Amino acid sequence: AQSVTQLDSQVPVFEEAPVELRCNYSSSVSVYLFWYVQYPNQGLQLLLKYLSGSTLVKGINGFEAEFNKSQTSFHLRKPSVHISDTAEYFCAVSPTGFQKLVFGTGTRLLVSP
Amino acid sequence: GAGVSQSPSNKVTEKGKDVELRCDPISGHTALYWYRQSLGQGLEFLIYFQGNSAPDKSGLPSDRFSAERTGGSVSTLTIQRTQQEDSAVYLCASSLGDRRGTEAFFGQGTRLTVV
Repeated sequence: AQSVTQLDSQVPVFEEAPVELRCNYSSSVSVYLFWYVQYPNQGLQLLLKYLSGSTLVKGINGFEAEFNKSQTSFHLRKPSVHISDTAEYFCAVSPTGFQKLVFGTGTRLLVSP
Repeated sequence: GAGVSQSPSNKVTEKGKDVELRCDPISGHTALYWYRQSLGQGLEFLIYFQGNSAPDKSGLPSDRFSAERTGGSVSTLTIQRTQQEDSAVYLCASSLGDRRGTEAFFGQGTRLTVV
């Protein structure tokens, strides 16, 4: 079975500051890794995914994440955040791709002026 | 349609009543998924349909929950004898297939409140 831990339930940050949202996972098999964003009253939108290849993955809206197999982590980063990045961010894993995603509990990013 | 459509967007029901939640996937998408987003449990996988294969029901929390997909397109999630702990946002997603890299697109969800 797989599990995902997002230790930070909420991350406050000032506009134009860098941010890192942490994600650690546990799995006995190889997994694929994902970050989703959920804006208020909207569905989930895929930010980026790691399926294979380079461990540094670039996504939409200037976000990137690095897969670290030894530390079983997939932290999300952005060098300079905007007010519009305020949202809930979910890390997810799956051994099979997009099917049966196992999600973390989410991290609320609060960007203030 | 342009995206995954779910209806109703909000549903309030009395405890003990049955409810049906509908999902219209993106046209041509053969894979369809249901997830539940609740305060206590986060996002949980419920059920997965792929083409004409038997659905993967391993995430359904009890036998009060069932889902069907008619004609390989529209799906209905039914909750019988609703309980207060069923209150959650039910999310549907669809993808072109079940290959690992095929992105799943999510609908906006149905917010179910059981009173």
